[in-house]
Amino acid sequence: DTEVTQTPKHLVMGMTNKKSLKCEQHMGHRAMYWYKQKAKKPPELMFVYSYEKLSINESVPSRFSPECPNSSLLNLHLHALQPEDSALYLCASSHQARGDYGYTFGSGTRLTVV
Amino acid sequence: GQQVMQIPQYQHVQEGEDFTTYCNSSTTLSNIQWYKQRPGGHPVFLIQLVKSGEVKKQKRLTFQFGEAKKNSSLHITATQTTDVGTYFCAGLGSGYSTLTFGKGTMLLVSP
Repeated sequence: DTEVTQTPKHLVMGMTNKKSLKCEQHMGHRAMYWYKQKAKKPPELMFVYSYEKLSINESVPSRFSPECPNSSLLNLHLHALQPEDSALYLCASSHQARGDYGYTFGSGTRLTVV
Repeated sequence: GQQVMQIPQYQHVQEGEDFTTYCNSSTTLSNIQWYKQRPGGHPVFLIQLVKSGEVKKQKRLTFQFGEAKKNSSLHITATQTTDVGTYFCAGLGSGYSTLTFGKGTMLLVSP
């Protein structure tokens, strides 16, 4: 299995809602990432998990809460988001947190906050 | 911090024409990676360059890494409509670091 699977593919949520994005990989990768991508922009790093431990938090607001239940799963819990948080949220994995040998990205969750 | 500049931002070519995108880092890189993102899609890893002066080819795509390991280029020969998308370079610095993405070059190919 050489894929990163993300669910849901699309999500519309209100500013008072709580929702979660899910990501799964079975490639034995030990690093997993959350990225945020706005239209016509490069992916912007949010969080890095290495061996199931949070190693990098790029000063992301606390309304985004990551979780890594095990080496194959990565969640992003969302609460009290703002309309400007609407974006494509990408999960990625790599052999190690440095990213040598490349990242495998999931197809993303298109999030709209209303 | 590390910065990766990429030009051009956008290029529109006729099918059959060549295309090149350039990437330049503010610091020496451990390696550089290239990704392609189709419209409405997600980034897909194309290749990684590690050695100074390295050149790699994938069919019509030629990737180069500069001698100083601070710049790179992607050249597509005889573009096809399937080449449409945004091409990102991403640099990896030394030590413990994560990828720094360039802003990308959006390629549009007209038949």
